Amino acid sequence: EVQLVESGGGLVQPGGSLKLSCAASGFTFSDSAMHWVRQASGKGLEWVGRIRSKGYNYATAYAASVKGRFTISRDDSKNTAYLQMNSLKTEDTAVYYCTGATVTTLPDYWGQGTLVTVSS
Amino acid sequence: QSVLTQPPSASGTPGQRVTISCSGTSSNIGGNYAYWYQQLPGTAPKLLIYRNNQRPSGVPDRFSGSKSGTSASLAISGLRSEDEADYYCAAWDDSLNVLFGGGTKLTVL
Repeated sequence: EVQLVESGGGLVQPGGSLKLSCAASGFTFSDSAMHWVRQASGKGLEWVGRIRSKGYNYATAYAASVKGRFTISRDDSKNTAYLQMNSLKTEDTAVYYCTGATVTTLPDYWGQGTLVTVSS
Repeated sequence: QSVLTQPPSASGTPGQRVTISCSGTSSNIGGNYAYWYQQLPGTAPKLLIYRNNQRPSGVPDRFSGSKSGTSASLAISGLRSEDEADYYCAAWDDSLNVLFGGGTKLTVL
């Protein structure tokens, strides 16, 4: 059974930093691209970015809204993906989903999400 | 406002067939696969359709997808109360970003 478990969410002040983790199991993590997608309360889905596998040199891509502030990384030895968020803004407040692209190039499995609240 | 345009709402009665549209451009849906996700209330999204018309294992064949030009559609036949959810289309953009539609709230009357 595929499982993606996010952790690290919480309350942070504007301008602060937070690092989310995503522990994966049930699929070949090292061969899969990992995406982060967020959803503000009552709003739609917004793609944050993705990291590809070693075979693609761990290439990353980011949405314009987070480029230069957020960094996605992975540790294949721990089957874990990360989202480092710096210079956080109030508009970054959302549930952040870790997702895996195991068969296709877009997310096919989703974690339960972790809430990030940016507020003073 | 999302680049992929969906109607904000749709509705149908049990047993009916409902279609949800997703309009894009040649830079996204027109040149790439369309995907559909279902988000039941209070839960994480779930992949419903990939590569325009493929269903993951476990998704009922009541759900079908199609694509024509720069638009994609999701059809749900034999509508059930448990289909009441938000539905999102998605596609890669040629600039290597993933785009989501704004979402369609489906109500089963």
